[in-house]
Amino acid sequence: DAGVTQSPTHLIKTRGQQVTLRCSPKSGHDTVSWYQQALGQGPQFIFQYYEEEERQRGNFPDRFSGHQFPNYSSELNVNALLLGDSALYLCASSLAWDRRYTGELFFGEGSRLTVL
Amino acid sequence: DAKTTQPPSMDCAEGRAANLPCNHSTISGNEYVYWYRQIHSQGPQYIIHGLKNNETNEMASLIITEDRKSSTLILPHATLRDTAVYYCIVLLNAGGTSYGKLTFGQGTILTVHP
Repeated sequence: DAGVTQSPTHLIKTRGQQVTLRCSPKSGHDTVSWYQQALGQGPQFIFQYYEEEERQRGNFPDRFSGHQFPNYSSELNVNALLLGDSALYLCASSLAWDRRYTGELFFGEGSRLTVL
Repeated sequence: DAKTTQPPSMDCAEGRAANLPCNHSTISGNEYVYWYRQIHSQGPQYIIHGLKNNETNEMASLIITEDRKSSTLILPHATLRDTAVYYCIVLLNAGGTSYGKLTFGQGTILTVHP
């Protein structure tokens, strides 16, 4: 049973460029959440996708956008990159409706983005 | 969601119990207490959660005070692999509209020594 997989694991971009990060949720999961974790900080919630729509959003600018595909995989897009966007981007998956729901999120290993 | 307060760091000897405290004095009646940990260079990992009763699983025990204003995560026999940042999170109505939106604080850096 594959867990949450993210790609790429590392990437380097320059200011002003655009980046796309990808996430495949754990098998059977239908909800994907994205988090940004700056060095030395706890993860910060960006947004969550369910049924191919953004369901919740944290305090992030419109430069951060996402998409969820019919197979539940998801992409995070960041436009006009700033130096401050350098961080570990984490994807987490879960099941929206589950009678045994525990509130547990399954996280991937993350994509480390460096903006120069 | 209620705010949590944790000590920035703690040490523990290998084989001993690690007791990690968390204060959540503004917790409301339908908010759960969750614990996650993050080992260096990995994504966070769920450990345990509870509402008001003490909980135990294969990883840890969670003790919640009767007034629910604080809790303690107990790793009964800490190993070197338990060295990680431990996050205490309060989440409203698990399964409800806050589903998936975890608010992480700074957490506690637990270092387990040989």
